Amino acid sequence: AQSVTQPDIHITVSEGASLELRCNYSYGATPYLFWYVQSPGQGLQLLLKYFSGDTLVQGIKGFEAEFKRSQSSFNLRKPSVHWSDAAEYFCAVGAGGGADGLTFGKGTHLIIQP
Amino acid sequence: SAVISQKPSRDICQRGTSLTIQCQVDSQVTMMFWYRQQPGQSLTLIATANQGSEATYESGFVIDKFPISRPNLTFSTLTVSNMSPEDSSIYLCSGGTGVGGYTFGSGTRLTVV
Repeated sequence: AQSVTQPDIHITVSEGASLELRCNYSYGATPYLFWYVQSPGQGLQLLLKYFSGDTLVQGIKGFEAEFKRSQSSFNLRKPSVHWSDAAEYFCAVGAGGGADGLTFGKGTHLIIQP
Repeated sequence: SAVISQKPSRDICQRGTSLTIQCQVDSQVTMMFWYRQQPGQSLTLIATANQGSEATYESGFVIDKFPISRPNLTFSTLTVSNMSPEDSSIYLCSGGTGVGGYTFGSGTRLTVV
C-alpha cells in the first residue's frame, strides 16, 4: 500500500525567506505525486503535480518541487515566501495518476513571521 | 481544471439524523471521490463514486453509513447516515479526468450535536 510522510508538522519561516517542505513517499511503482495547499476554512488547491519527465516541476504561486527517486522524496520549495503563503500543505501520492484516489500525508502547517 | 461546487458549506445536525452533501462539477469528469478530514487531521478517502453503479468503498467505510450516488458525470451526493458526534468532520468531494491533478470542492463542515 502507498503512504506519504511529511515529517514536519509545523514550520515557521520569516517573510522573504526561502522555504522547503519535506515529503517522502512509499509506492511500489512509478508514483504520481501532488502538492496541495489548504487555507483556513477552504478546500484544497493543487499547487503542482509530477507524473514523469523532468524531475523539477514548476507550479503555481512560485512553488516548485523536485522528485528524487533514490530518496523517495518530493520536496516543495519556494525561494521567497509571502505572508499569504501561511496555510496547511499536503503532499499526496496516487496510483494510476490518481484514478484510484489519493493518499495524503498528515500535512505541514506553515507559519510566516513578519 | 474542473470547478467543483459543494453544498452545504456547513451544517449542525442532531445525532441520529442524516445529511446529504451535494457535489456539482462544471464539466464532465471521469472520476469523482469523497474524502473525510477529521479535525486537525489529513484527508482520508471514503469512496470512489462510480457513475451508474455502486460506489467503491475504502476499508473502514460502508455503504449503509455513507451511501453515495452518482447519476451522471457531473454530479454526486454523499449521505452521512445515523450521525454521531464522531462523524463531525469536513467532507470534501474531488473530481478529475485521466492522468491529472484532481480538484476539490470547498468542503462541508459538519458538526453533530
